[in-house]
Amino acid sequence: GQNIDQPTEMTATEGAIVQINCTYQTSGFNGLFWYQQHAGEAPTFLSYNVLDGLEEKGRFSSFLSRSKGYSYLLLKELQMKDSASYLCAVKKLTGGGNKLTFGTGTQLKVEL
Amino acid sequence: DTGVSQDPRHKITKRGQNVTFRCDPISEHNRLYWYRQTLGQGPEFLTYFQNEAQLEKSRLLSDRFSAERPKGSFSTLEIQRTEQGDSAMYLCASSSTSGGTGELFFGEGSRLTVL
Repeated sequence: GQNIDQPTEMTATEGAIVQINCTYQTSGFNGLFWYQQHAGEAPTFLSYNVLDGLEEKGRFSSFLSRSKGYSYLLLKELQMKDSASYLCAVKKLTGGGNKLTFGTGTQLKVEL
Repeated sequence: DTGVSQDPRHKITKRGQNVTFRCDPISEHNRLYWYRQTLGQGPEFLTYFQNEAQLEKSRLLSDRFSAERPKGSFSTLEIQRTEQGDSAMYLCASSSTSGGTGELFFGEGSRLTVL
């Protein structure tokens, strides 16, 4: 099986920086995704890491440590529109191909 | 450019009835996934296809659930004898095995309410 843990809720201030952590335990690890999901909408892709290190995309960065089973999503210069659920998803190589398993999501609330 | 589309967007049904959802993936994507999501939870894997072959089905999926992708294009998810616990958002996603990250592109979902 797989365990994916991330905080349930976080609150941050507009303009600040927030880090959302994700830890996982799995065999056949083949990459980690972060998705953003606004209430009532579909998840949308934010970032992907397969090798250790930091991937930066504008205000969003994601870090991976495969040996520690750990990733984080860093959001800079927070805006009100960043209030959403952030989903950590682990890609696992299975007999039939790749499968994504999602964590429960971290609900981020950005306040003035 | 069309993304993943799902139909219907909302379905209200009485317990015991059968329901069917349809998903049309991005045309060049060969993989298609079904997930279920309840409030406050992440998407839960149900099953996935590569072309017309169903490669994996979650052990959580009871025999009342069946999915097909007969021609390797659109897919249907049928739930027979619905129960109140089936109330959820059913998300379809597609991806390509031709390079890239293998990211999933999600549809807007089909929300099921079982009364």
